[in-house]
This record gives sequence, structure tokens and C-alpha cells, in this order.
Amino acid sequence: GAVVSQHPSRVICKSGTSVKIECRSLDFQATTMFWYRQFPKKSLMLMATSNEGSKATYEQGVEKDKFLINHASLTLSTLTVTSAHPEDSSFYICSARQGYNQPQHFGDGTRLSIL
Amino acid sequence: AQTVTQSQPEMSVQEAETVTLSCTYDTSESDYYLFWYKQPPSRQMILVIRQEAYKQQNATENRFSVNFQKAAKSFSLKISDSQLGDAAMYFCAYRSYMNYGGSQGNLIFGKGTKLSVKP
Repeated sequence: GAVVSQHPSRVICKSGTSVKIECRSLDFQATTMFWYRQFPKKSLMLMATSNEGSKATYEQGVEKDKFLINHASLTLSTLTVTSAHPEDSSFYICSARQGYNQPQHFGDGTRLSIL
Repeated sequence: AQTVTQSQPEMSVQEAETVTLSCTYDTSESDYYLFWYKQPPSRQMILVIRQEAYKQQNATENRFSVNFQKAAKSFSLKISDSQLGDAAMYFCAYRSYMNYGGSQGNLIFGKGTKLSVKP
């Protein structure tokens, strides 16, 4: 079946560091990718939606300059958390879809811990 | 805007027994998809079952089946012969069928139900 690879699975870094998370679709071309944030014991919160070659669409309350999303190819999207602070610590999950009515496949998630 | 409600924060079932997880949703659209996702402690989101709203027949996947009541906007998940590996968070999700009004077709999740399976 379709696989979405997310890397790294875990990051621990100092406050002020920028962290990049990669999301790759391994066996299909992902025209749309989604980035979610999940707090402990909570549901997934959509942060942004990106279509290949276009600027990402951010959900209300998500800082564009804080969470930079790039979807430069049909198989890769990246989320960069700039100047990360402890409040950015969370579980980040990417998801990819080939077409509008195609299934949405999830990566394994990245646990980000900012000290 | 569409909303998804899971009214059971936690549920428990005895191994080999059957359990039903509830989900209701609100929408003005006539065509849409509904999903149940499982998130085990490993945190990966796994698609359990999918239902197209235009299909009257309830979807089934092995031990998993749904009771889709379109008029009532209800979409419950039944797990039969529960196994220890079924223990996880279960999320109900909604997605528009067409890109109405420029919708990106993102999944709208409920808050989840934590299922425990007792040996």
C-alpha cells in the first residue's frame, strides 16, 4: 500500500534552533500534503495544507513565519519550525494525498522536544 | 462548517467481546466521506474503515464494521471479537466529497475515543 515516510521520528534540541521535518510519499505523487500538530491525548489539529508548487494554506492561528512549509516536488514536503521554543514541543504528523478523492496517508509523526 | 463529535472519551472492552464507538457529525453537504482511524501508542494513524455517504450499504473490514445512519448523521464503529492489539485511540473523521467553495478536502477529526482491551 501507499507509504508516507516522515523524518526524523524524534528531535530534541535547544531553544532558538530551527528544525526541519521531511515528509515523503514513497510510491505515489502527492499533489496535496497536510501538516498536523497533536498535543498529548488530544486530536489532530490541522496546521496547513500545501499543494505542490503553490504556497501553503495555513489554518487560522498558525503563524506562517514560525512554521515554514515547502512543497517543492510531488513527493516531498518540509515543515521548518523556526527559532523553536519549548511551547513548540509537540507531535507533528504529515499526511499526503494523490488526488482530491484519493485516500489520505499518514506519516509516523515526529516528536519535537525543545529544551 | 462541518463538525465531528465523539462523545465517549474512553471505552473498555473485554477481549473477544464486541464494542461500539459512537460518532456524530454535522454537515450541510450531501456527498462526503467518513472514516475511522486508529492511533496506537506508536502514534501512527492507521485507516480502519471508510464510508462514502452516497452508499447505503455499511462498510465492513474483517472485524470492523460501521453503522452509517445518514439521516441521523451518525457513524458508529463496531469492533467484533476484540483483540489486545485493538487497544488504541480511535478517531472519527469527515471529508467533503467535492471541493465545495475551494475546500482542500482536509480531514476533520473528532476528539477521539481511547479504547482499552482487557485480557
